[in-house]
This record gives sequence, C-alpha cells and structure tokens, in this order.
Amino acid sequence: DIQMTQSPFSVSASVGDRVTITCRASQGVSNWLAWYQQKPGKAPKLLIYEASTLQSGVPSRFSGSGSGTDFTLTISSLQPEDFATYICQQANTFPFTFGPGTKVDIK
Amino acid sequence: QITLKESGPALVRPTQTVTLTCTFSGFSLRNSGEGVGWIRQSPGKALEWLALIYWDDDRRYSPSLESRLTITKDTSKNHVVLTMTNLDPVDSGTYFCAQRVLMPNGLSIYPHWGPGTLVTVSS
Repeated sequence: DIQMTQSPFSVSASVGDRVTITCRASQGVSNWLAWYQQKPGKAPKLLIYEASTLQSGVPSRFSGSGSGTDFTLTISSLQPEDFATYICQQANTFPFTFGPGTKVDIK
Repeated sequence: QITLKESGPALVRPTQTVTLTCTFSGFSLRNSGEGVGWIRQSPGKALEWLALIYWDDDRRYSPSLESRLTITKDTSKNHVVLTMTNLDPVDSGTYFCAQRVLMPNGLSIYPHWGPGTLVTVSS
C-alpha cells in the first residue's frame, strides 16, 4: 500500500491566519490526491481533488497544489467554521490510502 | 440529491461476522461508471479503505483484509452490502460508505458519504 504522511500533526491558529498543511506519499501518485475536511462525529467532506481542483461549493480560500509525492493544502484566511481535521488521500492505486490527518484548532 | 446511509449492528462479539448495508438514493449502480466504497475509521487511527464495488460488478478489496471481506450490490434495492468475518476488537470503529464518481479523465472521486455507523466488537 502507498503510505501517506502529513505535517504538522496539529496546528493552532487564529481566525484570519493563513494555514498550510503538507502531505507526502511514499511513492508517486501523479496528481491523484484529494483533501477532505472532517469535523468530530461527521463524515469526511471532499474539499479538493486532483491535487488542486476545488470541489463544487467549497470556498475559494481553500487551495491545493503539488504533484508526484508532495502536496500542500492552504487555507488563505481561516474562518471559524474551518476548525477541523484535514486529511489527504491518494486516488492513484487501490487501496486509496489516507493520511493520518492534521487538526486545526483555535489558538 | 444524493444520499447514502449505513446500517448494521452496533455491537458484535469477537469471532462473529458483521453485515453492514449502505442504502443510497440519487444515483444508480446500473449506470456506467458508478461505484460504492466502504471506508472505516477506528479510534485514533487513520481512515482505512476497505472495499469498492463498481456498476459492472467488478470489486476491489484492501489486500490486508481481503480474506475477511465480501462486498455485494443489489441494484433493485439501491443497496451495497459489506460482510466482514472473524471480527476482533481492533475492528471497532465507524464504518462509512461513499459514492464513487468517475471523472472524464479517469480519476475517481468520492464526494458523497453516509454519516457512518458505529460498530463495537466486544464480548
């Protein structure tokens, strides 16, 4: 299986801050990388697919970049509803493995 | 509107078999390109992909769990069923189903998920 890692494990930030989360794959996944947002007790919500394509309805303050093994999710100006866990997932090779998640909480 | 909902027993004894059902609406597994997958989330662990079934009855299983999993579909009822055998307490967690959407470039994305069903394996 392709192993996915994320950094940092958690980040404390304030409303309005710019937040960047990194995801790394153990082998190349082209740009077949998705980002999800998950809140406690809820299912993951798809934010970005194909590394940089915003899912319909997702605010433009979310953006993604990267290709191959290294990817980044950026929230340009953190909003109160963005405090959550962010999870990357490779969609190149089944099983489509997930990263461990990065928790964004309030500073 | 696309919805999915998981159902199944909340408590299962070790070594038993669990059957989980995903009931969906707003799409059909008769349609080319469609698929439904099962993913689980155990406490303190990453999401884990379990199995996937496609409109043409092609199936994919996580290699580490393949011997214990069976995924089937009933297109007339809009159900996808996941069976897992020989349960252990480490199999406890929330089990989600998700719709697979095939993009024009061949990429699969999973934009719609059910709320999940919690399964506890304990004697």
